[in-house]
Amino acid sequence: QSALTQPASVSGSPGQSITISCTGASRDVWTYNLVSWYQQHPGKAPKLIIYEDNKRPSGISNRFSGSKSGNAASLTISGLQAEDEADYFCFSSTGHYVFGSGTEVTV
Amino acid sequence: QVQLVESGGDVVQPGGSLRLSCKASGFAFRNYAMHWVRQAPGKGLEWVAFTSFDGRDKKYGESVKGRFTVSRDNSDNTLFLQMNSLRRDDTALYYCARELGAAPANWGQGALVTVSS
Repeated sequence: QSALTQPASVSGSPGQSITISCTGASRDVWTYNLVSWYQQHPGKAPKLIIYEDNKRPSGISNRFSGSKSGNAASLTISGLQAEDEADYFCFSSTGHYVFGSGTEVTV
Repeated sequence: QVQLVESGGDVVQPGGSLRLSCKASGFAFRNYAMHWVRQAPGKGLEWVAFTSFDGRDKKYGESVKGRFTVSRDNSDNTLFLQMNSLRRDDTALYYCARELGAAPANWGQGALVTVSS
């Protein structure tokens, strides 16, 4: 199962909004899958920030939002803050499981 | 709160075997599906294995299929990953995670596996 494709890096200024895309080659990945998103700071375990395409776990800021359309999913971070600087990974599930290639976000 | 503690990481020679454990606490382990995910040094995340809450359904990533086996002991709140025929490219930090909404949700701190001669 090939990794999902994400941009290697995205940057933004404090207060701005950025969007990270996640695309897959297989049509089936997007027909029935569920997408989640993770934030990982250096030396730390990944943290779930979006699951089932657009739901936020308890305690996750509403500045993070997820969406899915066509053959791609997206994570939007609004009101960018310094603490948002991290690596972000998408993940597709339902039947088979695969992570995205990862995006480094610089603030 | 949910706590997952991995153990069993070590340095092992190519072709060797290792068994990782993940001790769960703070939730009803027997009710949750679980995942193993790994991360090679400086690299991204790679999904490794899945087990349903009762251990009847198991899935594996292509790179470990036939070499790794996931299992669980619900009476002892422990998840396992038996790794055989280890290769240098299996070197990674191995995380166990509780599932939420078909996704690895709560993660441990990881166990380091180094495959080297």
